[in-house]
Amino acid sequence: DIQMTQSPSSLAASIGDRVTIICRASQSIDTYLNWYQHKPGKAPKLLIFATSALQSGVPSRFSGGGSETEFTLTISSLQPEDFAIYYCQQSYSSPFTFGQGTKVEIK
Amino acid sequence: EVQLVESGGGMVQPGGSLRLSCVASGFTFSRYPMSWVRQAPGKGLEWVSSISGDDGGTYYADSVKGRFTVSRDSSKNTLYLQMSSLRVQDTALYYCAKNLGLQWGLPELDYWGQGTLVTVSS
Repeated sequence: DIQMTQSPSSLAASIGDRVTIICRASQSIDTYLNWYQHKPGKAPKLLIFATSALQSGVPSRFSGGGSETEFTLTISSLQPEDFAIYYCQQSYSSPFTFGQGTKVEIK
Repeated sequence: EVQLVESGGGMVQPGGSLRLSCVASGFTFSRYPMSWVRQAPGKGLEWVSSISGDDGGTYYADSVKGRFTVSRDSSKNTLYLQMSSLRVQDTALYYCAKNLGLQWGLPELDYWGQGTLVTVSS
């Protein structure tokens, strides 16, 4: 099975900060990497698929990059509505594992 | 508007069974692969199972293989998860989710329901 590891597990940032979350795969997954945002009591939301494709309706301050085993999610200028937990997920092979999540909190 | 509405959760004793349902609307249900994802209390997201849109191909997480069965009824626009031999560690909020695209085996999940809670406890 492919293991997905995110870092950091949590971070505190201020409005307007640039934030980067890293996701590492235990083996190459090409660019089959997705990012989700999850807020308490809400359904998860797809932000980015296939490493860097922005899902419709997602603000352009979100961007993704990387390949093979190392990937990033960047929020260029953190907004109040961005405080949430972010998950990466590989869609390369079953089981389609998620990372453990990164909680983005207000500093 | 795409909507996914899960139901069927509840409390069950270890070893028991439950069937979850997810009624879909706002898209051509029969064409899209669908998935189940769960979140245990205080934990992260865990992919559980996926099913293809047409021939019913399925994938399962190792933790549920042999105990859970995913199926779909396109005449009812409904996705199911039959869960048996339930364990305490199956306690979670279960979400159904729709694939972004039509390709089977590529779970990019663009719409999610609100979830249905399964509690396994004696």
